[in-house]
Amino acid sequence: DVKVTQSSRYLVKRTGEKVFLECVQDMDHENMFWYRQDPGLGLRLIYFSYDVKMKEKGDIPEGYSVSREKKERFSLILESASTNQTSMYLCASMRKTVNEQFFGPGTRLTVL
Amino acid sequence: GEDVEQSLFLSVREGDSSVINCTYTDSSSTYLYWYKQEPGAGLQLLTYIFSNMDMKQDQRLTVLLNKKDKHLSLRIADTQTGDSAIYFCAESMGNFGNEKLTFGTGTRLTIIP
Repeated sequence: DVKVTQSSRYLVKRTGEKVFLECVQDMDHENMFWYRQDPGLGLRLIYFSYDVKMKEKGDIPEGYSVSREKKERFSLILESASTNQTSMYLCASMRKTVNEQFFGPGTRLTVL
Repeated sequence: GEDVEQSLFLSVREGDSSVINCTYTDSSSTYLYWYKQEPGAGLQLLTYIFSNMDMKQDQRLTVLLNKKDKHLSLRIADTQTGDSAIYFCAESMGNFGNEKLTFGTGTRLTIIP
């Protein structure tokens, strides 16, 4: 079974803090993705990565950065958290040439 | 740009059929997907259809694709309480193997006993 794990289910941070969200997959997938999910807006792609040390901007990259130093791990970084970044963050991974993204359970981030 | 739209809510009586609709704007989509999100969980792929197909059936699920109208639907036969979830349609673009998905807003399906 493919497993995608995220470091926290719930996280509360203060405005201006640096926040790290970690995602790990155990199936040697090449592609990894970070989304945020907001009511009425669905999932919006923040960043994705096709390989180690590679990253591509998604639809809403502003205020975020990512790191992929190892194939199994994809980190999302909020350099200076703001209240409008309060959201559910979902990580996904996918093998190239296979049409399925596997999702982690999500991290619900609250920025006060 | 690409845009995928869905109704936000649908209520169906247990045992009836549910039909969840989706419209998309990008005619170059290669695959179209339906994902299910149960409470407190991530998304799980239910089914997908290649853009040159009209229909795909998988047990209780039927996917219909109307390319001319850019309309996708998911029919769930004999809806059960375990089908309560948010359903997302998504389209993929990009080179095969490096696709990214664009998701709709999600439709929350509620089952009435």
